[in-house]
Amino acid sequence: GENVEQHPSTLSVQEGDSAVIKCTYSDSASNYFPWYKQELGKRPQLIIDIRSNVGEKKDQRIAVTLNKTAKHFSLHITETQPEDSAVYFCAASRNQAGTALIFGKGTTLSVSS
Amino acid sequence: DGGITQSPKYLFRKEGQNVTLSCEQNLNHDAMYWYRQDPGQGLRLIYYSQIVNDFQKGDIAEGYSVSREKKESFPLTVTSAQKNPTAFYLCASSFGLSGEQYFGPGTRLTVT
Repeated sequence: GENVEQHPSTLSVQEGDSAVIKCTYSDSASNYFPWYKQELGKRPQLIIDIRSNVGEKKDQRIAVTLNKTAKHFSLHITETQPEDSAVYFCAASRNQAGTALIFGKGTTLSVSS
Repeated sequence: DGGITQSPKYLFRKEGQNVTLSCEQNLNHDAMYWYRQDPGQGLRLIYYSQIVNDFQKGDIAEGYSVSREKKESFPLTVTSAQKNPTAFYLCASSFGLSGEQYFGPGTRLTVT
């Protein structure tokens, strides 16, 4: 069945370092790949997304890359700050009408100062 | 963060009882979704609805039911048939078929 694998499950970095979270998806028809950030006790919020006709997208310190051939996409956070500490989820659209997403299991990012 | 609300924030029920979780949005979104979040499991789709009076099962629909009588509302009923109902439930909505999903604050359900 359709699946999204996310790695690593936990990631610890020093403030100022870069962080990379990787996801793979199984459905070659997936065409929308959002990333959500969930702070402790709060709702998930979209931080960046990419569609299959684009290979890379940047927004200040965050960027997402997509390799459709390999069915990989990655989140890159540069110059990490303590407020970047949260759980990050990747997701991919399903091969059917509608906007239902399949989510990865999440990565807990800890940024220490 | 306004626009999509869930109530209550915490809910406690005895085993064997049905319980209904509320989700309301004033964003004029067409699509609405229910997810279940368990530690280490990500968000798993229970049901979703693209238009009023229509909804589809997600990956873990067994033991749950929904209705979509109004565009603004998408209540989820956790029935006694759900074997492990204790979890954090998130509602979301999106505008159009490929829109960003906005999440509600969630309801933490505990069944004992």
